[in-house]
Amino acid sequence: GAGVSQTPSNKVTEKGKYVELRCDPISGHTALYWYRQSLGQGPEFLIYFQGTGAADDSGLPNDRFFAVRPEGSVSTLKIQRTERGDSAVYLCASSPAGTSRGEQFFGPGTRLTVL
Amino acid sequence: GIQVEQSPPDLILQEGANSTLRCNFSDSVNNLQWFHQNPWGQLINLFYIPSGTKQNGRLSATTVATERYSLLYISSSQTTDSGVYFCAVVSGGATNKLIFGTGTLLAVQP
Repeated sequence: GAGVSQTPSNKVTEKGKYVELRCDPISGHTALYWYRQSLGQGPEFLIYFQGTGAADDSGLPNDRFFAVRPEGSVSTLKIQRTERGDSAVYLCASSPAGTSRGEQFFGPGTRLTVL
Repeated sequence: GIQVEQSPPDLILQEGANSTLRCNFSDSVNNLQWFHQNPWGQLINLFYIPSGTKQNGRLSATTVATERYSLLYISSSQTTDSGVYFCAVVSGGATNKLIFGTGTLLAVQP
């Protein structure tokens, strides 16, 4: 079956602009996660959705970052007033169950470059 | 929070050689996954292995939860095995987030 998909694959924007990154999870997966990966490092957690609600947003770095999942499937990560330090690969993952024991499956990522 | 350390940080192998990658973690875990990140950046699931031993072709993994470590074995390595190998854990408790190790960069030479 289809895996996790993310669009766009690449996004170049200017400092101060607003961007939206989209994630389509595996069909039927109730849990959805966003991570961010900087060059040379492992992915770092941003936010976790169980259904439509954000169950854990402790990884969001500041209030410029926001994510939604209005119908419990597709999710959008929104970044306001982008800064050069926001440049990274943004990864989305989904899991069939919203438990700590659920295996997570990752999408190909969106590479964000802020000029 | 839980700490995840991987060793070695870098590894160069000749094609056909075997290798062992190690992941140490500092607390009990509910989930442990091994990933291969290919040169295009895609994270590929290798094993979901919070405990026990699993094998998949030339790869196998063992997690000894009581001693807080996991091992990934690669046998008869191929050039397509090159990339970064990550161990990631979900700690015991009220959290579902994966905490990633720093990775092992593997280069397999023909």
